[in-house]
Amino acid sequence: EVQMVESGGGLVQPGRSLRLSCVVSGLTFSNFWMNWIRQAPGKGLEWLANLNPDGSETYYVDSVKGRFTISRDNAKSSFYLQINDVRAEDSAVYYCARGIWFGELLGSAPDIWGQGTTVIVSS
Amino acid sequence: DIQMTQSPSSLSASVGDRVTITCRASQSITTYLNWFQQKPGKAPKLLIYGASSLQSGVPLRFSGSGSGTDFTLTISSLQPEDLATYFCHQSYGRPFTFGPGTKVDIK
Repeated sequence: EVQMVESGGGLVQPGRSLRLSCVVSGLTFSNFWMNWIRQAPGKGLEWLANLNPDGSETYYVDSVKGRFTISRDNAKSSFYLQINDVRAEDSAVYYCARGIWFGELLGSAPDIWGQGTTVIVSS
Repeated sequence: DIQMTQSPSSLSASVGDRVTITCRASQSITTYLNWFQQKPGKAPKLLIYGASSLQSGVPLRFSGSGSGTDFTLTISSLQPEDLATYFCHQSYGRPFTFGPGTKVDIK
């Protein structure tokens, strides 16, 4: 059974830093792109960033560039999101999700998601 | 960035009804369109990828269609367990973006 388990969320003060982790089991982690996606309370989904299998390519949504850093450790089947200078608008549930490529006609999708970890930014 | 819109934002239907949700992209995304179902308190679940391909394990009452900028998710016979919010998602260009969601209630 494939599992993705996020951790590292919690209550954090504005301006502090936070590292979220996602541990993956039940698949060959090093074969897949990985995504971070968040959802603010009562809001929609926001794709944040993704990372290729060997960690050499990263892509970010403009709104988090410079503050968020994604990385992975294939030996530990783990995926990370470093958030610096945390802001109130970063309060959300953060999901890691595997990216799967279905081919040229079908594109890609985040097909397996973790249960999410909640970040609350408050002083 | 590619903007995604959905309509309606919410709907209420009876068990057995046919339900249709539409999604529009701000530019052509060919068939790089996915649909997700999110139940309250849960992570999203992939239903449809590539505009019309059914993800493994998803009931056959769900179907998707469209290409270019206009897409549709159809539930052929609404079931009580389909109470959820449905999101479209484009994987044509980064940043990958989601629609705002359509909340489906059961009458």
